[in-house]
Amino acid sequence: QKEVEQNSGPLSVPEGAIASLNCTYSDRGSQSFFWYRQYSGKSPELIMSIYSNGDKEDGRFTAQLNKASQYVSLLIRDSQPSDSATYLCAVRPSNYQLIWGAGTKLIIKP
Amino acid sequence: GAGVSQTPSNKVTEKGKYVELRCDPISGHTALYWYRQSLGQGPEFLIYFQGTGAADDSGLPNDRFFAVRPEGSVSTLKIQRTERGDSAVYLCASASGSTDTQYFGPGTRLTVL
Repeated sequence: QKEVEQNSGPLSVPEGAIASLNCTYSDRGSQSFFWYRQYSGKSPELIMSIYSNGDKEDGRFTAQLNKASQYVSLLIRDSQPSDSATYLCAVRPSNYQLIWGAGTKLIIKP
Repeated sequence: GAGVSQTPSNKVTEKGKYVELRCDPISGHTALYWYRQSLGQGPEFLIYFQGTGAADDSGLPNDRFFAVRPEGSVSTLKIQRTERGDSAVYLCASASGSTDTQYFGPGTRLTVL
C-alpha cells in the first residue's frame, strides 16, 4: 500500500515567521512530488513541484526533497494570514496517479 | 483561457436516486481525473481518462459508479442507487499529459439524504 503521511495539525505560526510543513512517503521509487494549497470549501491549487533532491525556491516558498529519507517539506517564509489553508502533499510513484496525504491545516496568527 | 469547470456545484439527492456530475476540462487537455474528497482527507483517486478511454478505473468503489468521456473532452461521473456514504466533494482535474500538472475544478458537493 503506497502511503503519504502528513501531520494533520493544526499548525499555528505567528505572522511573519517561517512555517514548516512536512510529508513522508512510502514508495521509494517515487519520482515527482507536489504541494497543493486548499482553502476551506475550495479545490486544491498547485504551489510547488519538485523532482530532484535538494531545495527549490519560488518566492516565499521553498520545497525540499530528500529521497534517501523519503521526505519532502515546504517552507513558507514571512507567513501571511492569507497563507492560512490546508496544505496537501502529493506523490507520483511512477506513472500518472497521484497519491495524496490527508493535509496539514496551517493557521497564521496576526 | 478557462479553467476546469464542474456542474452542478452542489447536488442534494435522496438515497437510492441516480446522479450525474459533469466535468469540462481545460481545452486541449487529454488527461482527465476524477477524485472524491471527504472532510479532513486528501483527494481519493477514482478514475483516469487518457483521451476517450478510461485508462485506470481501479479507484471506483463499486459498480454503482461509472464514468464516460465519449468525445475526449467533457466527462460525466454517474452514480446509481446513491447511498449516504457517497456524500463527499467530487473533484475533477485535467492535465495536458499524464505526467503533467493536474489542474482542479471547483468540485461538486454531493449530499445524499
